[in-house]
Amino acid sequence: DTAVSQTPKYLVTQMGNDKSIKCEQNLGHDTMYWYKQDSKKFLKIMFSYNNKELIINETVPNRFSPKSPDKAHLNLHINSLELGDSAVYFCASSGRGELSGNTIYFGEGSWLTVV
Amino acid sequence: GNSVTQMEGPVTLSEEAFLTINCTYTATGYPSLFWYVQYPGEGLQLLLKATKADDKGSNKGFEATYRKETTSFHLEKGSVQVSDSAVYFCALRYSGGGADGLTFGKGTHLIIQP
Repeated sequence: DTAVSQTPKYLVTQMGNDKSIKCEQNLGHDTMYWYKQDSKKFLKIMFSYNNKELIINETVPNRFSPKSPDKAHLNLHINSLELGDSAVYFCASSGRGELSGNTIYFGEGSWLTVV
Repeated sequence: GNSVTQMEGPVTLSEEAFLTINCTYTATGYPSLFWYVQYPGEGLQLLLKATKADDKGSNKGFEATYRKETTSFHLEKGSVQVSDSAVYFCALRYSGGGADGLTFGKGTHLIIQP
């Protein structure tokens, strides 16, 4: 069973389009995240969402909007895509307690290419 | 703020060589420390972790010890294999938890030659 799953894995789209990436976790975690990995492999947090509280990274353009219908899902919607948005986007989740510890678990990534 | 510094590579070794990837951190308080691995074309997998000073994390022959006095969490493996070729990320998470996420180093690309 996949703990953190995200779709699609690959997405190629034109500039100016609007697209969404979906994420679901079956770990019962309270906190979910979106990370961006650029072409140099650098990973940076975009958003975290904990019990309906959204924490936004100030450097993320407002064209990016996370949406969480429930605590098991955190989708990422991107408006007016730009070439610079091409990257790998990782969804992740974390919980509390002894079993989860302080570990953040990642999905397999969504490779977005804007042309 | 929090930061992680690791050797960027690429690091190229022969099979069965000894591996060390250095990682040092700057953080307020007492963070938890992690190594994640990303194989080509794949996502991020947790390799090992340590949550307090002097803890040693280990997995798949890899080890790292949380050294508070030197603020380091160096990754080691005694004998690497071609299948260990990947990008390795050192990361920290502030032990206060909450919705604060991970701070990553820039990643070290490891290439193991047969």
